[in-house]
Amino acid sequence: TQLLEQSPQFLSIQEGENLTVYCNSSSVFSSLQWYRQEPGEGPVLLVTVVTGGEVKKLKRLTFQFGDARKDSSLHITAAQPGDTGLYLCAGKDAGGFKTIFGAGTRLFVKA
Amino acid sequence: NAGVTQTPKFQVLKTGQSMTLQCAQDMNHNSMYWYRQDPGMGLRLIYYSASEGTTDKGEVPNGYNVSRLNKREFSLRLESAAPSQTSVYFCASSWSRTQGEGEKLFFGSGTQLSVL
Repeated sequence: TQLLEQSPQFLSIQEGENLTVYCNSSSVFSSLQWYRQEPGEGPVLLVTVVTGGEVKKLKRLTFQFGDARKDSSLHITAAQPGDTGLYLCAGKDAGGFKTIFGAGTRLFVKA
Repeated sequence: NAGVTQTPKFQVLKTGQSMTLQCAQDMNHNSMYWYRQDPGMGLRLIYYSASEGTTDKGEVPNGYNVSRLNKREFSLRLESAAPSQTSVYFCASSWSRTQGEGEKLFFGSGTQLSVL
């Protein structure tokens, strides 16, 4: 069974600080995705990374896919209260049809 | 645009009762999914439907049944609810998998279910 482990589970920081959250697995994934979920809503896709070593930027968010395609990181620069939410990584299981999710990192950014 | 619509938003059941969660999408997607979300465990796949007329089990199918009524609608049924099924349920849809690219899942806003 492929598993995605996210760390930290919870992060509370001040506005303006930088942070990195991690998504790790012992399995290789053909691609990894990051979703953001706000209370009372479903997750919304932020980015998909496909190539080992790939780096994608979305405004103040930087996503990286590990060279071996087993891990990914999300770095937020100068966090803002609007970044508060649950960040989930997800991966397509190899050769399958199913998307599996990590348990998430809950981020709280204080003004 | 409605996207993925789930009903009801909230539901309280007694142990042993049955109910059906409804999901509909208006994006002409081929694939639909049911997930449950529990604290500290992320989203776990219950059932999915790769296309109209097909359904398959996910990670945690026990105690659930599904029906892909047509291309738009995918329902989840609890025949005899148990307290362990207390959770938040999400329906999602997507285009069929694109080679080399993770499919984008579109989620509904969820159903919060409590089984007493």
